[in-house]
Amino acid sequence: KAGVTQTPRYLIKTRGQQVTLSCSPISGHRSVSWYQQTPGQGLQFLFEYFSETQRNKGNFPGRFSGRQFSNSRSEMNVSTLELGDSALYLCASSERGNSPLHFGNGTRLTVT
Amino acid sequence: AQKVTQAQTEISVVEKEDVTLDCVYETRDTTYYLFWYKQPPSGELVFLIRRNSFDEQNEISGRYSWNFQKSTSSFNFTITASQVVDSAVYFCALSRWYNQGGKLIFGQGTELSVKP
Repeated sequence: KAGVTQTPRYLIKTRGQQVTLSCSPISGHRSVSWYQQTPGQGLQFLFEYFSETQRNKGNFPGRFSGRQFSNSRSEMNVSTLELGDSALYLCASSERGNSPLHFGNGTRLTVT
Repeated sequence: AQKVTQAQTEISVVEKEDVTLDCVYETRDTTYYLFWYKQPPSGELVFLIRRNSFDEQNEISGRYSWNFQKSTSSFNFTITASQVVDSAVYFCALSRWYNQGGKLIFGQGTELSVKP
């Protein structure tokens, strides 16, 4: 089985722009979660989608949003980018609630 | 509130040494899951183990072993006869029991460097 695929791997954006990151889960996995990883804050949970519905949400501002499609693929959007949004964004999928998460390689976003 | 603490920021060992990574957690839940993940330089988090709060049996998988002690809220990870390929950042994580599987609370990670 193919693993979790995230595109693009690297992104450079300017402050104030918006960005969309994509995640394709492992085939058969219905849950997709997003995490932000920074040197200062570590790994922080953004949100989780299951069957196209947001099931959990972390403590991030409304500029961070996501969605899940009927084929379980997910996108994450960040609007009005700030320098502090520079991070590695990791997507993870699982078969169902409480199954172990399988992570992708991440998208490294740099905001200048 | 839930919290995971990995007090060791960096550990450096020589190949073939045994090494233990510490993990202490806080939760008010009586049922929960604990995890260990490995993050090599490529960035992908690799799942190593999941343990539920009912099961305090220690687990061994090859050179890896885990010691879960509910009484001290610890879930330590030992690598026996370490190898250079074990060099990575290791994360301990906690999740609630029901319907919160996608939401993990991670520790800050321990960077393990195994030198030849």
